[in-house]
Amino acid sequence: SYVLTQPPSVSVAPGMTARITCGGNNIGSKSVHWYQQRPGQAPVLVIYYDSDRPSGIPERFSGSNSGNTATLTISRIEAGDEADYYCQVWDTSSDSWVFGGGTKLTVL
Amino acid sequence: QVQLQESGPGLVKPSETLSLTCTVSNGSISGFYWSWIRQSPGKGLEWIGYIYHSGITNYNPSLKRRFAISIDRSNNQFSLRLTSVTAADTAVYYCARGKGGSYPFDHWGQGTPVTVSS
Repeated sequence: SYVLTQPPSVSVAPGMTARITCGGNNIGSKSVHWYQQRPGQAPVLVIYYDSDRPSGIPERFSGSNSGNTATLTISRIEAGDEADYYCQVWDTSSDSWVFGGGTKLTVL
Repeated sequence: QVQLQESGPGLVKPSETLSLTCTVSNGSISGFYWSWIRQSPGKGLEWIGYIYHSGITNYNPSLKRRFAISIDRSNNQFSLRLTSVTAADTAVYYCARGKGGSYPFDHWGQGTPVTVSS
């Protein structure tokens, strides 16, 4: 089955830029979605179809996808961005949804 | 704004059957794909399966065939049934809405915790 690989943790200082990667075989040919999960809360969609933002999500959140890596970029980091972030793709070969293992973003 | 709310027993004994329900409010259950996802303590998200409003189902091939998803259109609900539970099934269970294909989960329930213990 298809595997998505994320770094377990990323740390960044307030005001700086965080980049969270999601690796997969030829992931650039798939549509990648990103979810933010704050402690004790349900996941929230922050980026869909690689780079689109749902209404209500700040412009500081952006995404890209090419080759074997998709990236979620969060600029001008705030304390409230501290959360776990998950990437997700639909794997057509197994007809199933696949999540990455998640990345814990820590704001220093 | 559509809302999803999971409900369930909270505590289940090993070898028993777990039943969870997701109630959809402020929106129709028709035309959408309804998924169950779980998250074991301290772990990541695991997709269990989905049901389309017509009743068509699809499950995570990596999971053993102990799961069954059903739908009750008259009550705007869909359900998850898990047989022969073990401690490994202890998790927070979420329901979520999609539109099929590669469309993401745009609405999630708040999650319901399930503990398997005697």
